[in-house]
Amino acid sequence: GAVVSQHPSWVICKSGTSVKIECRSLDFQATTMFWYRQFPKQSLMLMATSNEGSKATYEQGVEKDKFLINHASLTLSTLTVTSAHPEDSSFYICSARDGAKNNSPLHFGNGTRLTVT
Amino acid sequence: AQKITQTQPGMFVQEKEAVTLDCTYDTSDPSYGLFWYKQPSSGEMIFLIYQGSYDQQNATEGRYSLNFQKARKSANLVISASQLGDSAMYFCAILIRDSSYKLIFGSGTRLLVRP
Repeated sequence: GAVVSQHPSWVICKSGTSVKIECRSLDFQATTMFWYRQFPKQSLMLMATSNEGSKATYEQGVEKDKFLINHASLTLSTLTVTSAHPEDSSFYICSARDGAKNNSPLHFGNGTRLTVT
Repeated sequence: AQKITQTQPGMFVQEKEAVTLDCTYDTSDPSYGLFWYKQPSSGEMIFLIYQGSYDQQNATEGRYSLNFQKARKSANLVISASQLGDSAMYFCAILIRDSSYKLIFGSGTRLLVRP
């Protein structure tokens, strides 16, 4: 089945530094990738939608200068949390849609647990 | 605006019994998809079942079935013969097309299977 690889699975960083999270579709071309954020005991909140070769579409309330998204190829999207602060500590999870299949389920990476100290 | 609602924050079920997890949605889009995902404590999102808005029959996948009532805008998940490994968070989600495709999640239901 379709696999989405997300790396790293966890990261601890100091306040003020930047962290990059990668999301790769391993056996399909992902025309669209999604980035979600999940706080403990809460649901997944869509942060942004990235389409290959174009700018990401951010949801209301998500700072695009803080959460930089790049989708440079059909198999790779990256999320960079810039100048991280403790309140950015969360579980970030990406998902990808196989553009060749209508109504295919979104395939999720295993998530990245970010802790900012 | 699209909305998806799960009214049961937590549910218990006895092992080997069936359980229904509720999900209602609100969208003006005539074409949409409904998904259920399972999230165990490890955090990964596991796809369970999908129902398209134009599908005439209720979706089934093994022990999972979806009770789709389009007029009532509900898409309840039925898990039959519950197993201890079914204990997890369950999320209902709707795939809609805005400027691009979006998958919006409900608040989730935590299911605990009792031995």
